[in-house]
Amino acid sequence: GENVEQHPSTLSVQEGDSAVIKCTYSDSASNYFPWYKQELGKRPQLIIDIRSNVGEKKDQRIAVTLNKTAKHFSLHITETQPEDSAVYFCAAIPSGGGADGLTFGKGTHLIIQP
Amino acid sequence: NAGVTQTPKFRVLKTGQSMTLLCAQDMNHEYMYWYRQDPGMGLRLIHYSVGEGTTAKGEVPDGYNVSRLKKQNFLLGLESAAPSQTSVYFCASRQGQGNEQYFGPGTRLTVT
Repeated sequence: GENVEQHPSTLSVQEGDSAVIKCTYSDSASNYFPWYKQELGKRPQLIIDIRSNVGEKKDQRIAVTLNKTAKHFSLHITETQPEDSAVYFCAAIPSGGGADGLTFGKGTHLIIQP
Repeated sequence: NAGVTQTPKFRVLKTGQSMTLLCAQDMNHEYMYWYRQDPGMGLRLIHYSVGEGTTAKGEVPDGYNVSRLKKQNFLLGLESAAPSQTSVYFCASRQGQGNEQYFGPGTRLTVT
Protein backbone atom coordinates (compact mmCIF):
# COMPACT_ATOMS: atom_id res chain seq x y z
CA GLY A 1 0.00 0.00 0.00
CA GLU A 2 0.85 3.67 0.01
CA ASN A 3 3.42 4.99 2.48
CA VAL A 4 3.81 8.70 3.21
CA GLU A 5 6.85 10.02 5.06
CA GLN A 6 6.82 13.54 6.50
CA HIS A 7 9.68 15.69 7.80
CA PRO A 8 10.46 17.33 10.09
CA SER A 9 8.33 16.19 13.03
CA THR A 10 8.82 19.57 14.74
CA LEU A 11 9.68 22.90 13.12
CA SER A 12 10.29 26.12 15.00
CA VAL A 13 10.59 29.38 13.05
CA GLN A 14 10.65 33.06 13.89
CA GLU A 15 7.50 35.01 13.16
CA GLY A 16 7.77 36.47 9.68
CA ASP A 17 10.15 33.78 8.41
CA SER A 18 9.21 31.00 5.99
CA ALA A 19 8.46 27.37 6.88
CA VAL A 20 8.86 24.34 4.63
CA ILE A 21 7.49 20.86 5.33
CA LYS A 22 8.39 17.95 3.08
CA CYS A 23 6.68 14.66 2.27
CA THR A 24 7.51 11.66 0.13
CA TYR A 25 5.14 8.98 -1.11
CA SER A 26 5.65 5.48 -2.43
CA ASP A 27 2.71 4.76 -4.78
CA SER A 28 3.42 6.23 -8.21
CA ALA A 29 -0.31 5.94 -9.04
CA SER A 30 -1.26 8.44 -6.32
CA ASN A 31 -2.72 11.56 -7.91
CA TYR A 32 -4.12 13.77 -5.16
CA PHE A 33 -2.08 15.36 -2.36
CA PRO A 34 -3.83 17.45 0.29
CA TRP A 35 -2.38 19.30 3.26
CA TYR A 36 -4.33 19.56 6.50
CA LYS A 37 -3.88 21.89 9.45
CA GLN A 38 -4.97 20.68 12.86
CA GLU A 39 -5.17 22.89 15.92
CA LEU A 40 -5.15 21.35 19.37
CA GLY A 41 -8.39 19.48 20.05
CA LYS A 42 -9.87 20.31 16.65
CA ARG A 43 -10.56 18.43 13.46
CA PRO A 44 -8.14 18.46 10.50
CA GLN A 45 -8.90 21.29 8.10
CA LEU A 46 -7.86 21.27 4.45
CA ILE A 47 -5.60 24.23 3.67
CA ILE A 48 -4.39 23.42 0.17
CA ASP A 49 -4.24 20.48 -2.22
CA ILE A 50 -2.59 19.61 -5.49
CA ARG A 51 -3.27 17.09 -8.21
CA SER A 52 -0.64 15.13 -10.08
CA ASN A 53 -1.09 17.08 -13.33
CA VAL A 54 0.06 20.30 -11.64
CA GLY A 55 3.57 21.14 -10.41
CA GLU A 56 2.78 24.03 -8.10
CA LYS A 57 -0.21 25.72 -6.53
CA LYS A 58 -0.37 28.87 -4.44
CA ASP A 59 -2.99 30.42 -2.19
CA GLN A 60 -1.88 33.68 -0.57
CA ARG A 61 0.92 32.79 1.89
CA ILE A 62 0.66 29.05 1.29
CA ALA A 63 2.06 27.10 -1.63
CA VAL A 64 2.52 23.44 -2.45
CA THR A 65 4.97 21.96 -4.94
CA LEU A 66 4.92 18.46 -6.41
CA ASN A 67 7.73 16.50 -8.02
CA LYS A 68 6.16 13.35 -9.51
CA THR A 69 9.46 11.95 -10.70
CA ALA A 70 10.98 12.07 -7.25
CA LYS A 71 7.62 11.33 -5.57
CA HIS A 72 7.79 14.17 -3.13
CA PHE A 73 5.72 17.25 -2.36
CA SER A 74 6.25 20.19 -0.05
CA LEU A 75 4.27 22.82 1.81
CA HIS A 76 5.65 26.35 1.91
CA ILE A 77 4.32 28.98 4.29
CA THR A 78 5.71 32.50 3.90
CA GLU A 79 5.56 35.43 6.33
CA THR A 80 4.56 33.12 9.17
CA GLN A 81 2.18 34.44 11.81
CA PRO A 82 1.34 33.19 15.34
CA GLU A 83 -1.94 31.71 14.07
CA ASP A 84 0.06 29.40 11.81
CA SER A 85 1.15 27.44 14.90
CA ALA A 86 -0.49 23.99 14.58
CA VAL A 87 0.18 20.43 13.45
CA TYR A 88 0.30 20.01 9.67
CA PHE A 89 -0.35 16.72 7.90
CA CYS A 90 0.38 15.78 4.33
CA ALA A 91 -1.59 12.99 2.71
CA ALA A 92 -2.05 11.09 -0.51
CA ILE A 93 -4.81 9.07 -2.09
CA PRO A 94 -3.27 5.79 -3.23
CA SER A 95 -4.12 3.67 -6.22
CA GLY A 96 -4.79 6.60 -8.51
CA GLY A 97 -7.92 7.81 -6.74
CA GLY A 98 -11.22 5.99 -6.60
CA ALA A 99 -12.85 5.51 -3.22
CA ASP A 100 -9.70 4.92 -1.22
CA GLY A 101 -9.17 6.85 1.97
CA LEU A 102 -6.23 9.11 2.58
CA THR A 103 -2.82 7.88 3.71
CA PHE A 104 -1.39 10.48 6.07
CA GLY A 105 2.10 11.44 7.11
CA LYS A 106 2.77 11.51 10.84
CA GLY A 107 2.52 15.27 11.10
CA THR A 108 4.73 18.30 11.68
CA HIS A 109 4.30 20.45 14.75
CA LEU A 110 4.95 24.00 13.54
CA ILE A 111 5.86 26.48 16.26
CA ILE A 112 5.98 30.18 15.44
CA GLN A 113 8.30 32.02 17.81
CA PRO A 114 7.34 35.66 18.51
CA ASN B 1 -25.75 22.44 6.69
CA ALA B 2 -24.25 20.78 9.74
CA GLY B 3 -21.62 19.06 7.59
CA VAL B 4 -20.19 15.99 9.33
CA THR B 5 -21.25 15.33 12.92
CA GLN B 6 -20.12 12.65 15.37
CA THR B 7 -21.76 11.20 18.47
CA PRO B 8 -20.61 11.03 21.23
CA LYS B 9 -17.81 13.57 21.71
CA PHE B 10 -16.22 11.73 24.63
CA ARG B 11 -16.56 8.25 26.06
CA VAL B 12 -14.82 6.13 28.68
CA LEU B 13 -15.16 2.36 28.45
CA LYS B 14 -13.93 -0.53 30.51
CA THR B 15 -12.03 -3.34 28.82
CA GLY B 16 -14.46 -5.76 27.21
CA GLN B 17 -17.38 -3.33 26.91
CA SER B 18 -18.93 -2.53 23.56
CA MET B 19 -20.06 0.68 21.98
CA THR B 20 -21.06 2.28 18.69
CA LEU B 21 -19.85 5.60 17.32
CA LEU B 22 -22.21 7.41 14.98
CA CYS B 23 -21.17 9.58 12.06
CA ALA B 24 -23.75 11.57 10.13
CA GLN B 25 -23.37 13.83 7.09
CA ASP B 26 -25.95 16.02 5.38
CA MET B 27 -24.02 16.71 2.17
CA ASN B 28 -25.32 13.66 0.26
CA HIS B 29 -21.77 12.32 -0.02
CA GLU B 30 -21.23 8.84 -1.40
CA TYR B 31 -18.00 7.99 0.39
CA MET B 32 -17.51 7.88 4.14
CA TYR B 33 -14.46 7.01 6.25
CA TRP B 34 -13.41 6.22 9.79
CA TYR B 35 -9.89 7.15 10.95
CA ARG B 36 -8.15 6.90 14.28
CA GLN B 37 -5.55 9.36 15.46
CA ASP B 38 -2.87 8.44 17.97
CA PRO B 39 -0.02 10.66 19.20
CA GLY B 40 2.88 10.64 16.76
CA MET B 41 1.04 8.36 14.32
CA GLY B 42 -1.04 10.71 12.23
CA LEU B 43 -4.45 9.49 11.10
CA ARG B 44 -4.93 5.91 10.01
CA LEU B 45 -7.85 4.53 8.03
CA ILE B 46 -9.97 1.92 9.83
CA HIS B 47 -12.85 1.21 7.42
CA TYR B 48 -14.60 3.02 4.64
CA SER B 49 -17.78 2.87 2.56
CA VAL B 50 -18.39 3.72 -1.07
CA GLY B 51 -22.15 3.80 -0.73
CA GLU B 52 -25.20 2.65 1.18
CA GLY B 53 -24.90 -1.00 2.10
CA THR B 54 -21.19 -1.30 1.29
CA THR B 55 -18.11 -1.32 3.52
CA ALA B 56 -14.42 -2.09 3.07
CA LYS B 57 -11.36 -2.51 5.28
CA GLY B 58 -8.70 0.13 5.64
CA GLU B 59 -5.22 0.01 7.13
CA VAL B 60 -6.15 -0.89 10.74
CA PRO B 61 -9.55 -2.71 10.73
CA ASP B 62 -8.98 -5.33 13.45
CA GLY B 63 -11.29 -5.02 16.45
CA TYR B 64 -13.79 -2.79 14.63
CA ASN B 65 -16.94 -3.34 12.61
CA VAL B 66 -18.90 -0.86 10.53
CA SER B 67 -22.29 -0.51 8.91
CA ARG B 68 -23.79 1.87 6.34
CA LEU B 69 -27.52 1.16 6.38
CA LYS B 70 -28.39 4.71 5.35
CA LYS B 71 -26.42 6.92 2.98
CA GLN B 72 -26.07 9.70 5.54
CA ASN B 73 -24.89 7.52 8.44
CA PHE B 74 -21.75 5.47 9.01
CA LEU B 75 -21.48 3.52 12.27
CA LEU B 76 -18.27 2.26 13.87
CA GLY B 77 -18.62 -0.53 16.42
CA LEU B 78 -16.26 -1.90 19.03
CA GLU B 79 -17.51 -5.31 20.17
CA SER B 80 -15.00 -5.85 22.98
CA ALA B 81 -12.99 -2.72 23.73
CA ALA B 82 -9.27 -2.97 24.51
CA PRO B 83 -6.91 -0.34 25.95
CA SER B 84 -5.12 -0.28 22.57
CA GLN B 85 -8.29 1.26 21.13
CA THR B 86 -7.87 4.38 23.23
CA SER B 87 -7.69 7.05 20.57
CA VAL B 88 -9.41 9.96 18.89
CA TYR B 89 -11.74 8.78 16.15
CA PHE B 90 -12.53 10.97 13.15
CA CYS B 91 -15.18 10.39 10.56
CA ALA B 92 -14.93 11.95 7.11
CA SER B 93 -16.96 12.06 3.93
CA ARG B 94 -16.50 13.14 0.32
CA GLN B 95 -18.39 13.29 -2.92
CA GLY B 96 -17.90 10.47 -5.38
CA GLN B 97 -16.31 12.68 -8.01
CA GLY B 98 -14.48 15.06 -5.74
CA ASN B 99 -11.36 14.56 -3.66
CA GLU B 100 -11.72 16.82 -0.64
CA GLN B 101 -12.62 14.95 2.53
CA TYR B 102 -14.66 16.76 5.16
CA PHE B 103 -13.93 15.72 8.73
CA GLY B 104 -16.20 15.51 11.73
CA PRO B 105 -15.20 16.99 15.11
CA GLY B 106 -13.91 13.71 16.50
CA THR B 107 -14.72 11.34 19.36
CA ARG B 108 -12.22 10.91 22.18
CA LEU B 109 -12.42 7.34 23.45
CA THR B 110 -10.60 6.05 26.52
CA VAL B 111 -10.57 2.35 27.36
CA THR B 112 -9.43 1.51 30.89
